[in-house]
Amino acid sequence: DQQVKQNSPSLSVQEGRISILNCDYTNSMFDYFLWYKKYPAEGPTFLISISSIKDKNEDGRFTVFLNKSAKHLSLHIVPSQPGDSAVYFCAASATGGFNTIFGAGTRLFVKA
Amino acid sequence: GAGVSQSPSNKVTEKGKDVELRCDPISGHTALYWYRQSLGQGLEFLIYFQGNSAPDKSGLPSDRFSAERTGGSVSTLTIQRTQQEDSAVYLCASGSYQGTRFFGPGTRLTVL
Repeated sequence: DQQVKQNSPSLSVQEGRISILNCDYTNSMFDYFLWYKKYPAEGPTFLISISSIKDKNEDGRFTVFLNKSAKHLSLHIVPSQPGDSAVYFCAASATGGFNTIFGAGTRLFVKA
Repeated sequence: GAGVSQSPSNKVTEKGKDVELRCDPISGHTALYWYRQSLGQGLEFLIYFQGNSAPDKSGLPSDRFSAERTGGSVSTLTIQRTQQEDSAVYLCASGSYQGTRFFGPGTRLTVL
């Protein structure tokens, strides 16, 4: 039973355009959400997070939106750059819980 | 170094052999996690250490897998009698209770 789902295994976007990566979750106890970015041969690195008390968090070109009623979050990257090409993992955790559940990842290709 | 380190970076072994994977977490981090990523899959939780508490081993796939954390710092993940399905990238992460995880570069294990 996948509690965190990233249904798009890959996404291709032209440089300068917006990249939208989607994530759905099933556990209503989740209240903290994170996005990680992973380059080949490296470990994932933290990108941006959002608490369930917010519906949007922005950091430079990266914005995460949270729709609690739909149990859906998305990561927007604008403008996309070739260096953004990587695998993006969505993750979720619950207050009082220790474990962060990761999605399967979405591979983003940004074409120059 | 300031980050999480793992060794070896690559390990090729024959089916049936035992392997040990090492993780050096960020100094001062009380939480340590092991994940693995099989080809085309997301990050699969294996085991979690928090301070001096008993580890949560609920993610270990079989009794061939075990892990220790000595002195609240370095951790080793041991896989006995390796099988081909154990081939994956094994990632270690350290961090805070519900905070972000800082991942190491991973150990790529190939079981022939």
